[in-house]
Amino acid sequence: GENVEQHPSTLSVQEGDSAVIKCTYSDSASNYFPWYKQELGKRPQLIIDIRSNVGEKKDQRIAVTLNKTAKHFSLHITETQPEDSAVYFCAASNNAGGTSYGKLTFGQGTILTVHP
Amino acid sequence: DAGITQSPRHKVTETGTPVTLRCHQTENHRYMYWYRQDPGHGLRLIHYSYGVKDTDKGEVSDGYSVSRSKTEDFLLTLESATSSQTSVYFCAIRRQLNEKLFFGSGTQLSVL
Repeated sequence: GENVEQHPSTLSVQEGDSAVIKCTYSDSASNYFPWYKQELGKRPQLIIDIRSNVGEKKDQRIAVTLNKTAKHFSLHITETQPEDSAVYFCAASNNAGGTSYGKLTFGQGTILTVHP
Repeated sequence: DAGITQSPRHKVTETGTPVTLRCHQTENHRYMYWYRQDPGHGLRLIHYSYGVKDTDKGEVSDGYSVSRSKTEDFLLTLESATSSQTSVYFCAIRRQLNEKLFFGSGTQLSVL
C-alpha cells in the first residue's frame, strides 16, 4: 500500500517568513495530493490540492509543487501570519478507480507555529 | 460543512464494552470513510464504504467493524473496546473519486 512521509514534524517561523513542508510518497499510481489544515480541536480542512498532471498550483499565499519522478510534493506558505498556526497534513491517493476507492493515506503531520 | 454529522461528539467507556459511532451525511455522497487520529500517526484509515452494503478494510481495521445499510449512515463499531482504541475518530465523505474529501467534526473516545 501507499506510504507517505512528512517533514518536519514541527516548524517555527516568524510572522512574514515563508514556511515549507515536504512529503514523499511510495506508490507511483498515486495521482491526487491534497493538503489539510487542522486547528486545535477542529476537523481537518482542505486548503489546496494538486493532481499528477500538474506540477504546481497556487492559491493566494499558499502553493503546492509536485515532482512525480522523485515522488515528492511540498506545501509553501508565504508571508506567514499567526492565524496560519495549525497542524498541516499531506496526503496521497489513487483516484483512478479500480479497487483503490480513493483511499487517502496521510502523512504524520507538521505543527506550524507562527510567532508575531 | 458538507452536511456531515458525527455522534456522539464525546464518549467515555470501559474496556470490554461495545461502542458504536455514527456518521450521518445529507449530501448523498457515495464514498464514506472512518479515520482515527493519534499523535505522531496522522490520520489512519479504519474502514471505508463505496456504496450501500459495500465496505472494506483500511490499514488499522482490527477490532473494528462497520455497516452501511443506507446511503446517509455509516456506523463504526468497536466490538470490545480496548484502551488502545482511545482516539479521535473522524468520518469523511466524498461524492466521486475525483472530488474532494470532507471531514466531520470528530468523536473523542476514551476507553478506561
